[in-house]
Amino acid sequence: AQSVTQPDIHITVSEGASLELRCNYSYGATPYLFWYVQSPGQGLQLLLKYFSGDTLVQGIKGFEAEFKRSQSSFNLRKPSVHWSDAAEYFCAVGALPTNSGYALNFGKGTSLLVTP
Amino acid sequence: DTGVSQNPRHKITKRGQNVTFRCDPISEHNRLYWYRQTLGQGPEFLTYFQNEAQLEKSRLLSDRFSAERPKGSFSTLEIQRTEQGDSAMYLCASSPTGTSGYEQYFGPGTRLTVT
Repeated sequence: AQSVTQPDIHITVSEGASLELRCNYSYGATPYLFWYVQSPGQGLQLLLKYFSGDTLVQGIKGFEAEFKRSQSSFNLRKPSVHWSDAAEYFCAVGALPTNSGYALNFGKGTSLLVTP
Repeated sequence: DTGVSQNPRHKITKRGQNVTFRCDPISEHNRLYWYRQTLGQGPEFLTYFQNEAQLEKSRLLSDRFSAERPKGSFSTLEIQRTEQGDSAMYLCASSPTGTSGYEQYFGPGTRLTVT
């Protein structure tokens, strides 16, 4: 069964510092991979997605992620964090269409705290 | 495009009562999903509609839960005889047909508290 692991429950970074959030997946074929962000009181917002092709994908708000098949990873990065980036970040994987349509399987999330 | 909307945003109910939530997807999206998110967890899939047809239900969706999407537009999720374990954020998402169907647009959620 497919699964998603986000090893870090909480991460604290200083404003202006670089950020990397880890995501590992378990799935037999090439998955469809996503990063979502959730701010308090807000719904999930799609940051970026990987379907195929270039393994380095660019997203909104200056985020990027790299798909590494050999490591079954899809880590999220940002070169310089802003205080407004403080939020909960979720990695998700989508399987090939099944009866579940395109249901996403989410990790447990990483809570990002940004300090001055 | 006004996004996915959900109502109510918050619901407090007593154990044993029935509750109903509404989701209005993005108008041209024919796929609609319900997820449940508990504290400290990522969203978990509950059920999926393509147009008005409910094509899949998770085993998380007990027989106290029912979802409908009449006419393939808005959807409702009803929970009968609520239990404290039903306390969670209920998220609705929609997506268009085709490969971009993986791109799901989420609403703000309905937070249910069962006392």
